[in-house]
Amino acid sequence: GDSVTQMEGPVTLSEEAFLTINCTYTATGYPSLFWYVQYPGEGLQLLLKATKADDKGSNKGFEATYRKETTSFHLEKGSVQVSDSAVYFCALSDSGGGGADGLTFGKGTHLIIQP
Amino acid sequence: GAVVSQHPSWVICKSGTSVKIECRSLDFQATTMFWYRQFPKQSLMLMATSNEGSKATYEQGVEKDKFLINHASLTLSTLTVTSAHPEDSSFYICSAPPPRGNQPQHFGDGTRLSIL
Repeated sequence: GDSVTQMEGPVTLSEEAFLTINCTYTATGYPSLFWYVQYPGEGLQLLLKATKADDKGSNKGFEATYRKETTSFHLEKGSVQVSDSAVYFCALSDSGGGGADGLTFGKGTHLIIQP
Repeated sequence: GAVVSQHPSWVICKSGTSVKIECRSLDFQATTMFWYRQFPKQSLMLMATSNEGSKATYEQGVEKDKFLINHASLTLSTLTVTSAHPEDSSFYICSAPPPRGNQPQHFGDGTRLSIL
């Protein structure tokens, strides 16, 4: 079955540091890939997505590129802020994230940004 | 604003009681909704797919008699945890895909269930 593996947390960085959160996946076919963010006490919010190989998703300074050859979708940001502190989930869908299937999530990475 | 509303956001109850959680799509119709469970510091695990007008589809290992799902209308799905016990304490999250295909799902804010 499908699976998503992402780096264990917590990840603690200083403000303005460079961020990378690794994510690799196993899936049949050509899944769509997502990063979701969960701020303290809140639900999940879609951060970015990519639906095919070599696509780059970007939002709020975060980027991730769909790498089929390495089955990866690593999340990056050039300069993090305290407000980026949250839990980040990598996820995939065999149906483009639409109605047919639920999502398969990684375990989440807790990011802590210190001033 | 939120397009999927989940209620209640937090519930504490005694062991043996049943708890109902509602998931509503606010400005669109959802023939399918999904229910996830999240343990502390763990991932979200898909529990079941709720289908309007038909039976829910449960993932392997999820007890359908324990977690009753009713998709009564195109905007409402409910999850009832029957005879809840402390091991059922968890964070439950629903999601619904927007009507236009191939678009990311909208998630509710989740329900934190604590069974004493």
